[in-house]
Amino acid sequence: KAGVTQTPRYLIKTRGQQVTLSCSPISGHRSVSWYQQTPGQGLQFLFEYFSETQRNKGNFPGRFSGRQFSNSRSEMNVSTLELGDSALYLCASRRGENTEAFFGQGTRLTVV
Amino acid sequence: GENVEQHPSTLSVQEGDSAVIKCTYSDSASNYFPWYKQELGKRPQLIIDIRSNVGEKKDQRIAVTLNKTAKHFSLHITETQPEDSAVYFCAAYQSWAGNKLTFGGGTRVLVKP
Repeated sequence: KAGVTQTPRYLIKTRGQQVTLSCSPISGHRSVSWYQQTPGQGLQFLFEYFSETQRNKGNFPGRFSGRQFSNSRSEMNVSTLELGDSALYLCASRRGENTEAFFGQGTRLTVV
Repeated sequence: GENVEQHPSTLSVQEGDSAVIKCTYSDSASNYFPWYKQELGKRPQLIIDIRSNVGEKKDQRIAVTLNKTAKHFSLHITETQPEDSAVYFCAAYQSWAGNKLTFGGGTRVLVKP
């Protein structure tokens, strides 16, 4: 059974650009969450999608957005990139409530 | 919203000793508490979890305890080994709040041989 797949693994972008990250959940998982991980801030919740609907959103500016497609694949977009957006972006999928969240390997974004 | 605090932020133990990490949560409606281990350069992986109707759960050298009244839960690792060195995250799940999983700040554990 394939795990959670994130693409690309690495990205280097310039300030002001925008970026789109992709996450393919485990087959049968309808919930996808996104997290930002930085050395000093741990795992910060960005948003969660279930059946193409955003159910929850963390405390991030509107430059961070996402969506989920009918096949449960999810994308997140960051516009007008800032240096502080440099981080590891992790997505996790779950089968349902109160179940294990499986993480992808992450996309490491570097903004220069 | 939910707030999860985790202590200590770093923990150094001698091989064979025990390690204990504690987390507190603020929302009494939280009902699922997983622990994740993240080795350097790798993704977080679930090592143990506990639900609110259970007070303790054990899996070989790892155990988790939950005190719902005090709103805290702890991870216990016995007979630590060098491969236990990693960052450990606790989390609390609120099904009512849009199924949000809130993580603690993490504990970097170093097991010295």
